[in-house]
Amino acid sequence: GESVGLHLPTLSVQEGDNSIINCAYSNSASDYFIWYKQESGKGPQFIIDIRSNMDKRQGQRVTVLLNKTVKHLSLQIAATQPGDSAVYFCASGRQLTFGSGTQLTVLP
Amino acid sequence: KAGVTQTPRYLIKTRGQQVTLSCSPISGHRSVSWYQQTPGQGLQFLFEYFSETQRNKGNFPGRFSGRQFSNSRSEMNVSTLELGDSALYLCASSRGGEKETQYFGPGTRLLVL
Repeated sequence: GESVGLHLPTLSVQEGDNSIINCAYSNSASDYFIWYKQESGKGPQFIIDIRSNMDKRQGQRVTVLLNKTVKHLSLQIAATQPGDSAVYFCASGRQLTFGSGTQLTVLP
Repeated sequence: KAGVTQTPRYLIKTRGQQVTLSCSPISGHRSVSWYQQTPGQGLQFLFEYFSETQRNKGNFPGRFSGRQFSNSRSEMNVSTLELGDSALYLCASSRGGEKETQYFGPGTRLLVL
């Protein structure tokens, strides 16, 4: 079956620095990926998505990079802020398969 | 536009009981998916309903069931509750297309004692 995983369970960054959160997937046929952010006590919140015909997509302070050759995607957050502290998930497919999540902690 | 709403937000039940959770999707969304989130297993897909029909199903026992109404609102039922059913139950709605983004509700936290 398809699996989607994240490389690091935790990531700590200084406020103002850039954050990079990585994700790997197993199914080379996966053609749609989404990044979600989940704050404590809340449901996952959509951040950005990317289709397999793209290798980069930018949003507000976020960029997602997709490398289909090595089946890897990353989420880059520019100028990380305290409000960015949350668990970040990558997911793929309509029947979303989620990775285990990376807990991002922003240090003052 | 209002987001996905779920009721109740918190629930405490005892083993053997049954529970029904409700989800109201974003207006215009016809697909509702349900997920279970636990610290050990992460987010796991339960099932998806589209136009009142179950379209996809995850690997959960038959104690977990759902339905969708003509207004796209969905309910999920768990019968004969077990301690391991304690979890955050999330629903997500989308327009229903293959690559449509799913938007999540705040979840219902179920505690089984």
